Amino acid sequence: KAGVTQTPRYLIKTRGQQVTLSCSPISGHRSVSWYQQTPGQGLQFLFEYFSETQRNKGNFPGRFSGRQFSNSRSEMNVSTLELGDSALYLCASSLGLVPSSGNTIYFGEGSWLTVV
Amino acid sequence: AQSVTQPDIHITVSEGASLELRCNYSYGATPYLFWYVQSPGQGLQLLLKYFSGDTLVQGIKGFEAEFKRSQSSFNLRKPSVHWSDAAEYFCAVGAGQFYFGTGTSLTVIP
Repeated sequence: KAGVTQTPRYLIKTRGQQVTLSCSPISGHRSVSWYQQTPGQGLQFLFEYFSETQRNKGNFPGRFSGRQFSNSRSEMNVSTLELGDSALYLCASSLGLVPSSGNTIYFGEGSWLTVV
Repeated sequence: AQSVTQPDIHITVSEGASLELRCNYSYGATPYLFWYVQSPGQGLQLLLKYFSGDTLVQGIKGFEAEFKRSQSSFNLRKPSVHWSDAAEYFCAVGAGQFYFGTGTSLTVIP
C-alpha cells in the first residue's frame, strides 16, 4: 500500500509569509505527527494529531500550527516565516497514538522549506 | 526526562567490515526503541524496533540490535557493511512521543 505522502516536496518562501504543508498518512493510520529536521537541532517533535485532535505538542512557538481532517490527512501551517524556519519538515503516521501503545511511526519523504 | 544519545557523530568503515552504532537512552520505564535510517534527501525508514521479549531484534537489510537494560543501550550492528548502507542512522525512544538521537553519519569506503 502507499506510504506517507507529503506535498509539496520543495518550496521557497519569503520571510514574513506563511506556508501550509500537507500530509496524507498510510491508509488506515489515524495518527499523524510532524517533525522539524535541521542540521543544528536534529529531529524535533512538533505535534501529533489523532482523530482530528491534537494529542501532543512539542516546544515550538504558536506560529506553528496544524490540523487533521476526518480522513486523517493533516496539514501544518507556519505563519510569519523566519529564516530559522528553513528545514525539512517530516510527517509520520501510525495506526494509533505513538509509542505508549507500542505503535510504530512511518515517515514520508518530507517537505523542504527554504525561507529567504 | 527522556533522551537519546548517539555518541558517534560520524563513523567510517570499509565495505565488508562489521559495524556497530551506539545508542544510549534515558527513560524511567521499559522503553520502546527504534532505529531508523535516512538517505540523503529522503525521509526516515524504519530498520527495526524493540517493544518487549527477546532482547536481540532483527531488522531489514541485515541489521540487528541488542537491548541491554543494565546499560540503557540499544546498539545497532551489521556483520558486513555494503556501500549502499552509507546514510544517517537515528536511534529513537518512544515515550508518549518519539525522542530521537542526533544521528550517526556512516561513510563506507570501497
